[in-house]
Amino acid sequence: GAGVSQSPSNKVTEKGKDVELRCDPISGHTALYWYRQSLGQGLEFLIYFQGNSAPDKSGLPSDRFSAERTGGSVSTLTIQRTQQEDSAVYLCASSLDLNNQPQHFGDGTRLSIL
Amino acid sequence: QKEVEQNSGPLSVPEGAIASLNCTYSDRVSQSFFWYRQYSGKSPELIMSIYSNGDKEDGRFTAQLNKASQYVSLLIRDSQPSDSATYLCAATERGFQKLVFGTGTRLLVSP
Repeated sequence: GAGVSQSPSNKVTEKGKDVELRCDPISGHTALYWYRQSLGQGLEFLIYFQGNSAPDKSGLPSDRFSAERTGGSVSTLTIQRTQQEDSAVYLCASSLDLNNQPQHFGDGTRLSIL
Repeated sequence: QKEVEQNSGPLSVPEGAIASLNCTYSDRVSQSFFWYRQYSGKSPELIMSIYSNGDKEDGRFTAQLNKASQYVSLLIRDSQPSDSATYLCAATERGFQKLVFGTGTRLLVSP
């Protein structure tokens, strides 16, 4: 596709369940980023990938959060034992490479924890 | 000081006027600066990127960067009601690849 694709667009789950969010970057983009935006809050960096490696995991809020990227393309963000404070919009972005290239965002996954 | 700071607004301008959005940043961010537009309930959309001092124009948008004063601004000429949105200023953190975002300025353009 032409843009960054994220799925699902919406996810409602019960507290304590695991969730998996998917991101398919723009074709040819080697760098991929995950952010989250809570209601009324700014965008918070979570993690980025260059190829399949994640040099900077500093933004992951806790060890319940993990992410992987395979084949230099699709990435999944997994949240285990979800908590209500995990409710947010999870945004994925990609860029051509890491050299300060503009990041282009997908439509996001709206996660609601009941 | 926050790494990227913006006035939350709202900034109200009449249709056809110039809207001026400002952003200041700390020494922890540098090199690359971006303006994103975010409509309510939507994801950020890239409008402009600027890397060096001076002005950069693209259609009705002009980004201005002043590294000595550590500010970056976005001018929107001939503002339209469809420009009403939250404008996010972002910068790359020095030595890292992540974007650091300001909290955004809400722009309201009245017909």
